[in-house]
Amino acid sequence: DSGVTQTPKHLITATGQRVTLRCSPRSGDLSVYWYQQSLDQGLQFLIQYYNGEERAKGNILERFSAQQFPDLHSELNLSSLELGDSALYFCASSFGTSGIETQYFGPGTRLLVL
Amino acid sequence: AQSVTQLGSHVSVSEGALVLLRCNYSSSVPPYLFWYVQYPNQGLQLLLKYTSAATLVKGINGFEAEFKKSETSFHLTKPSAHMSDAAEYFCAVSDLGNYGGSQGNLIFGKGTKLSVKP
Repeated sequence: DSGVTQTPKHLITATGQRVTLRCSPRSGDLSVYWYQQSLDQGLQFLIQYYNGEERAKGNILERFSAQQFPDLHSELNLSSLELGDSALYFCASSFGTSGIETQYFGPGTRLLVL
Repeated sequence: AQSVTQLGSHVSVSEGALVLLRCNYSSSVPPYLFWYVQYPNQGLQLLLKYTSAATLVKGINGFEAEFKKSETSFHLTKPSAHMSDAAEYFCAVSDLGNYGGSQGNLIFGKGTKLSVKP
């Protein structure tokens, strides 16, 4: 158990809909990262937050947004969903933002868009 | 820009045989390198990481990796495979961003699925 929790575990929805994925980092960690894992693109970095502030952006679509709340949990919002958004979405956390730190991954949320 | 290439999307070994999973990186500055393992229907777990302290890095479950700057490689090895090692393995490099400073996020290779035959 990494200490990172993600809800829900599975999500099935229809095209055009909007969903929210939730992540609670390990106790004491200030950084939260979101990654998308799909068969064609592999594991891709989406966005990072540190202590409530956006820190870095990766290949995140404009239809996707995220935020980190004062209690440090984070939410990833996916809107106007398309079939191609079906993927496994991982949240990871670390104490700081240094690249030397270990990132601890949650179990993921599997999203299926029909 | 940094990148990671994992040679071989599938590797199959017999139980007790040597495991060798290949990873090559591209980076203009000394990198931080990681190996993660993903078991079916689970998240990623860190096996080991290279942070420039030592070129031979020992990790969990008997795995180790050697950083070779001249070959830009960070191959993962285990002397004797166990059935429980069957999983997908990801090599990753820490993204240094546009100015050479670390952003913290990881750039992953495509992964190598390891099968272990009895």
